[in-house]
Amino acid sequence: AQSVTQLDSHVSVSEGTPVLLRCNYSSSYSPSLFWYVQHPNKGLQLLLKYTSAATLVKGINGFEAEFKKSETSFHLTKPSAHMSDAAEYFCVVSGTSGTYKYIFGTGTRLKVLA
Amino acid sequence: KAGVTQTPRYLIKTRGQQVTLSCSPISGHRSVSWYQQTPGQGLQFLFEYFSETQRNKGNFPGRFSGRQFSNSRSEMNVSTLELGDSALYLCASSLLTGASSGANVLTFGAGSRLTVL
Repeated sequence: AQSVTQLDSHVSVSEGTPVLLRCNYSSSYSPSLFWYVQHPNKGLQLLLKYTSAATLVKGINGFEAEFKKSETSFHLTKPSAHMSDAAEYFCVVSGTSGTYKYIFGTGTRLKVLA
Repeated sequence: KAGVTQTPRYLIKTRGQQVTLSCSPISGHRSVSWYQQTPGQGLQFLFEYFSETQRNKGNFPGRFSGRQFSNSRSEMNVSTLELGDSALYLCASSLLTGASSGANVLTFGAGSRLTVL
């Protein structure tokens, strides 16, 4: 069985400071992991994905995430927050068990303070 | 390349009515999945279609149904609407070439916001 836990429902940072959004996963198989971002009243946009090629994954808009198997984590980071980063972020796990299924985390709402 | 198109973007219905939402996937994408998003329940998987066949279904009552056409366009229908069906309904398409394709990326539409009065 697969599951994903986003450890913080809300995160506030000041503009220009680092961002850390935490995600832990559980999977019986080698997982694929994704981060999506959703701005208000919009659909979800892919930020980055991990599919076992490299443990440090770089995405769009300066975001990156590191896959740590020993910690079952896939935390999202950005060195310097921008006002435009304010949005909701979803961590997603998908396995290769033979069935197509994506499991979404409950989301982390990022607030960026001026 | 056009993205995933969902229509209508906004709609208001009353309890007991039914609604049909449409999703046109990215050209060449054969998999379409649907999600319901509410503030209380978050993102919940409804169902997924691949080559006109429903392959996976979430835990929703039979009032929620869907189908996929030969051109990969998909519709979902909700009958006998309830207040709790008010939500953003998101459609996503994927290239998916086989059953074990978890690494395929989902591309989402902007959603259809349904309000039930």
